Amino acid sequence: NAGVTQTPKFQVLKTGQSMTLQCAQDMNHNSMYWYRQDPGMGLRLIYYSASEGTTDKGEVPNGYNVSRLNKREFSLRLESAAPSQTSVYFCASSEEGSSYNEQFFGPGTRLTVL
Amino acid sequence: DQQVKQNSPSLSVQEGRISILNCDYTNSMFDYFLWYKKYPAEGPTFLISISSIKDKNEDGRFTVFLNKSAKHLSLHIVPSQPGDSAVYFCAASDVRSGGGADGLTFGKGTHLIIQP
Repeated sequence: NAGVTQTPKFQVLKTGQSMTLQCAQDMNHNSMYWYRQDPGMGLRLIYYSASEGTTDKGEVPNGYNVSRLNKREFSLRLESAAPSQTSVYFCASSEEGSSYNEQFFGPGTRLTVL
Repeated sequence: DQQVKQNSPSLSVQEGRISILNCDYTNSMFDYFLWYKKYPAEGPTFLISISSIKDKNEDGRFTVFLNKSAKHLSLHIVPSQPGDSAVYFCAASDVRSGGGADGLTFGKGTHLIIQP
């Protein structure tokens, strides 16, 4: 059981380049999430997917798009990267209808935009 | 406007003593609260949680207390061990309206340092 996996672990982009962060979970969870963490800040929700085929904006969605490819996979795309998107990105998943919304996190992707 | 606040960026505690981490929230719709622990270069891991219908939840060395009238919760770690050195995040969820599938709202974290 790998839990939540993320690729890549590190990435450096130039301003204006695009990339997709990949996330997969093997816990058969319906809900998946993307967060970003900046220095001295807590995690902030970018997008979430309550179930396969649905996605919703979180607190900081601007500059990002997401795809819920299937139940296991939830990708985050930066179409035109900006230095303000330099951050650590975490993917998470949780059980459907979880009464307490315990989320399981991946190890993170550290992204630097020059 | 921060809805979940952890006002202490860091806390230093001697090994064997009690560590108390505090968290305040402003949104009265929050009905579930969680604590996460994070080591460097790793994702956060779930530690303990509490529903708004309770005022205390205990799991081994970890106890979370909730004071709804003050909109305040705290995490107690007794006794503190070197492996407890990490960043602790307080998080909150509005399960009733979000159905449990919405994201969590996190505080900025408190870096706990356990000194030998």
